[in-house]
Amino acid sequence: GDSVTQMEGPVTLSEEAFLTINCTYTATGYPSLFWYVQYPGEGLQLLLKATKADDKGSNKGFEATYRKETTSFHLEKGSVQVSDSAVYFCALSNDYKLSFGAGTTVTVRA
Amino acid sequence: DAGVTQSPTHLIKTRGQHVTLRCSPISGHKSVSWYQQVLGQGPQFIFQYYEKEERGRGNFPDRFSARQFPNYSSELNVNALLLGDSALYLCASSGTSGIRFAEQFFGPGTRLTVL
Repeated sequence: GDSVTQMEGPVTLSEEAFLTINCTYTATGYPSLFWYVQYPGEGLQLLLKATKADDKGSNKGFEATYRKETTSFHLEKGSVQVSDSAVYFCALSNDYKLSFGAGTTVTVRA
Repeated sequence: DAGVTQSPTHLIKTRGQHVTLRCSPISGHKSVSWYQQVLGQGPQFIFQYYEKEERGRGNFPDRFSARQFPNYSSELNVNALLLGDSALYLCASSGTSGIRFAEQFFGPGTRLTVL
């Protein structure tokens, strides 16, 4: 079945540091790929998505590129802020459901 | 506009009891999905309902059931509660059944604790 493996946390960074969270997937067909974010005390929010190979999703300074050859969708941000502290989930969908990774907790310190 | 709403916010039950969780989708959305998020893990798909019909079911026992009403709101029912059912239950709505290209919007969740 479909599955997502993402980098284990927690990750602790200083403000303005570069962030990378690795995500790889196993799926049949051509899934869409997503990054969701869960800020403290809030619900899951879609951060970005890509629906086909070589697509780049971007939002709020975050980027991720759909790499079919490596079955990966790594999340990157060039300069993180304290407000980026959250739990980040990589997910995929082939049809009517989302399959999530375990989540990566990111803490950014001033 | 109101987002996805869920009730109650928190719930404490004992083993063997039954629980009903409720969800109201975004206005105009006909699809409701339920996910279980155990502490420290990613959400796991339980059900999707679209136009009042079950479109998909995850790998959960028959103790879990759901339904969707004519106004597209939904209930998740769990019978014979086990300690392992303690989790955050998330509801998500979307405009269509297929979500490869359509965004799912998540509610804040119901925190269920089973003692």
